Amino acid sequence: DAGITQSPRHKVTETGTPVTLRCHQTENHRYMYWYRQDPGHGLRLIHYSYGVKDTDKGEVSDGYSVSRSKTEDFLLTLESATSSQTSVYFCAISGPKGPNSYEQYFGPGTRLTVT
Amino acid sequence: GNSVTQMEGPVTLSEEAFLTINCTYTATGYPSLFWYVQYPGEGLQLLLKATKADDKGSNKGFEATYRKETTSFHLEKGSVQVSDSAVYFCALSGLYSSASKIIFGSGTRLSIRP
Repeated sequence: DAGITQSPRHKVTETGTPVTLRCHQTENHRYMYWYRQDPGHGLRLIHYSYGVKDTDKGEVSDGYSVSRSKTEDFLLTLESATSSQTSVYFCAISGPKGPNSYEQYFGPGTRLTVT
Repeated sequence: GNSVTQMEGPVTLSEEAFLTINCTYTATGYPSLFWYVQYPGEGLQLLLKATKADDKGSNKGFEATYRKETTSFHLEKGSVQVSDSAVYFCALSGLYSSASKIIFGSGTRLSIRP
C-alpha cells in the first residue's frame, strides 16, 4: 500500500469555523489531490498540486483553499465551514515520476461533519 | 465534456453468481481506463486498468476490456464472493498534459448474499 495518511480521520465542527485537513505521504510523489465523496456524486476533485507551492483548482473548489510547502504534505482548508461541506474527504497521490502512469493512490479518508 | 457513466446500484447477487457492472465513457483522445474498489470504511483502491484499445485489465478474478468502438469498459467476474461486497468506480484519465486528473463515475454498490 502507498504510504498516505490523513488527519484527523473524523471531525465535527460548527458552521463558520475554520478547519484544516492534512494529507501526508511517504512516497515522494509529485502530484497530490483532494477529493470529496458524497452520495450520488462519486468523487469530485477539489484542488490538486503538481509540486511544492504549485496548486490548481478542481471542479468544486469554492470555499476551499490548499497549500503545499513540502513534497510530503498537502493541506486542505475550509476557511469558514458550511453544512454543505459535510462530506468524506480523500487525499490521493500520483507518481512515481509524474503523470505518465495516470494511477492514483488514495488515503483512508476524513469524515467531516459541519453542524 | 469528458465523463464516465456507470450503472446505478445497488446490485445484489448471490454468492457464485456472474457479475457485470456496465461503464461507458465520453472522451476526446485516448484515455486510460480504470476500475477502483472501495471497501466499507476505506479509501479507493485500484482494481485494474487498461491503457489502450482492446487491452484487458484483470485482477482478483475481475476483468474489463477497453472497447473503443463502443466506448465501454464493463467490469466482469465469473463467480462473486461475499468479500467482493464493495462500491466499484469506473474512471478515466490521461486526457490532460499535466497532473493526470481522473474523472470518476458515480459508483455502483455491490452486495453479495451468502
